[in-house]
Amino acid sequence: DTGVSQDPRHKITKRGQNVTFRCDPISEHNRLYWYRQTLGQGPEFLTYFQNEAQLEKSRLLSDRFSAERPKGSFSTLEIQRTEQGDSAMYLCASSSNRGTRNGYTFGSGTRLTVV
Amino acid sequence: AQSVSQHNHHVILSEAASLELGCNYSYGGTVNLFWYVQYPGQHLQLLLKYFSGDPLVKGIKGFEAEFIKSKFSFNLRKPSVQWSDTAEYFCAVNTDTGGFKTIFGAGTRLFVKA
Repeated sequence: DTGVSQDPRHKITKRGQNVTFRCDPISEHNRLYWYRQTLGQGPEFLTYFQNEAQLEKSRLLSDRFSAERPKGSFSTLEIQRTEQGDSAMYLCASSSNRGTRNGYTFGSGTRLTVV
Repeated sequence: AQSVSQHNHHVILSEAASLELGCNYSYGGTVNLFWYVQYPGQHLQLLLKYFSGDPLVKGIKGFEAEFIKSKFSFNLRKPSVQWSDTAEYFCAVNTDTGGFKTIFGAGTRLFVKA
């Protein structure tokens, strides 16, 4: 078990371009979460998957953001027409199916810079 | 809506000093509480958690936290900090019935002087 993997670690893109991030959770975890973290703030919830079903989305997730988790394994987060305000660290986490009490295992994150 | 408030954004201590980081949450129901830590250059990792039983919970590396329901608080403590405790600490809360997301506080940056 290598933990939660995120790719890429860093992404610099020009405003208006599309970007896609990938997350590979711990293999036996069926819950997967995306969070966004900006400087001086804690992680903010974006969306949650249980297996392949996207069960909850934050109002932070505008229509330019889309997330998928085909086959309930890895997940992708796509941002279309990026804006400078999208610059942040995008975190992925996974957890087991034992309720909400176990806490998360986080990946190292993808740092997005929009120039 | 749930929220988490961490009292101090930055704390500077000398080695061997005692640590207490404040955390208050707003939610009237049954909660699960967590402290996560992020060491420099590393990912967020779980330090300790509480969901029932003894309100004084012990975590890794000598950390402990006390849940005081009447004060909606879950403060993190360590009797004697080390230089290696320099990190950012996040308090977090979720519920078994309030949806699937965990809400995080803004974090406290701890710097321990050697």
